Amino acid sequence: DGGITQSPKYLFRKEGQNVTLSCEQNLNHDAMYWYRQDPGQGLRLIYYSQIVNDFQKGDIAEGYSVSREKKESFPLTVTSAQKNPTAFYLCATRGNEQFFGPGTRLTVL
Amino acid sequence: GQQLNQSPQSMFIQEGEDVSMNCTSSSIFNTWLWYKQEPGEGPVLLIALYKAGELTSNGRLTAQFGITRKDSFLNISASIPSDVGIYFCAGRLFSSNTGKLIFGQGTTLQVKP
Repeated sequence: DGGITQSPKYLFRKEGQNVTLSCEQNLNHDAMYWYRQDPGQGLRLIYYSQIVNDFQKGDIAEGYSVSREKKESFPLTVTSAQKNPTAFYLCATRGNEQFFGPGTRLTVL
Repeated sequence: GQQLNQSPQSMFIQEGEDVSMNCTSSSIFNTWLWYKQEPGEGPVLLIALYKAGELTSNGRLTAQFGITRKDSFLNISASIPSDVGIYFCAGRLFSSNTGKLIFGQGTTLQVKP
């Protein structure tokens, strides 16, 4: 089955804990992206990577970190420094255009 | 970060009605995209536009790339209940060398059977 996989679908964490969200793709796309979605605010770019071992900050990178050690994988860590981490997180890749994964809903209690 | 102005914010219509939504900006774009998102899922690409004035259809959906390069619209004809969802426009700036997209805030569509 091809495409973009994000796991888990739902994630719960206690305040003050770091948490890592997974994004895997088998589309052989070079570029990968992480977005955050809050109700009524559309999609905001957190980090993006245009090639392996390279990534850039997006519009709201504070409190987040990423790595891109493999072409297929672009994990996002939500650190305890992120003041309001509860949100829906979307990973995307770019072939001719951007395509999105199914998302992970993170709830911090 | 920059955002697109998408309107209307929400629509509640009767099944069978036509729907129109648009996105505008003060900046020039070289790509306009329209996505649909259903609850709890990732957005799905509906239509991509690459040339000013371009008019593209996908079934009952029609989208146009504005002639000024600063706007785009999406029409849905003869709406049905499965059209329910959030529709997002997204644009790629003419000046961009990173391929990043800028998103509108979404139009929430509800269809009454």
